[in-house]
Amino acid sequence: EAGVAQSPRYKIIEKRQSVAFWCNPISGHATLYWYQQILGQGPKLLIQFQNNGVVDDSQLPKDRFSAERLKGVDSTLKIQPAKLEDSAVYLCASSRFLRLAEDPYEQYFGPGTRLTVT
Amino acid sequence: KQEVTQIPAALSVPEGENLVLNCSFTDSAIYNLQWFRQDPGKGLTSLLLIQSSQREQTSGRLNASLDKSSGRSTLYIAASQPGDSATYLCAVRNAGNMLTFGGGTRLMVKP
Repeated sequence: EAGVAQSPRYKIIEKRQSVAFWCNPISGHATLYWYQQILGQGPKLLIQFQNNGVVDDSQLPKDRFSAERLKGVDSTLKIQPAKLEDSAVYLCASSRFLRLAEDPYEQYFGPGTRLTVT
Repeated sequence: KQEVTQIPAALSVPEGENLVLNCSFTDSAIYNLQWFRQDPGKGLTSLLLIQSSQREQTSGRLNASLDKSSGRSTLYIAASQPGDSATYLCAVRNAGNMLTFGGGTRLMVKP
């Protein structure tokens, strides 16, 4: 099966500009996640969707970041306006949702988008 | 709040050595623990997933153990190869299917 797709792979913008990232999860995966990975650190969850509803966005800086998953499939993550500290790799992941107690909810990751803010 | 720590942050070994990567977590109420590999400029590849009821998982030269009560996991790599050079990340899943990651161990295996 095809993996998680993300675009663009690289983006360079100036501070205060806006940027958008796109993610297409694995077919049939109801749950979609966006992570931010700053250089030298582990990924940090920004937002989690279940179908087209938000499950958790407690770590999303809502004054500048927004995300949507309108039809329960593809998702976009937007930053407006960007700051220097937003330079990071933005990873998208997806998992199935089987409503089983022993479901491992294994997450599958895309290649990421590397954002550089100058 | 769950915190995950990985030690060492970086490791350089000669080819053929057996090595152990460590992961510790503060909240033992986890559903499972995953070990990932990340190559430069790439996404994450899942290596092993251990359910909270399990003690270990094995895949080829990799063996991961889990001691939930003490909040520790180890990833054992046997007979290391240059192709094993990458960053290894551990992540724990708590309620709500949230993954909390450690900072990773950057491994370099020298020929």
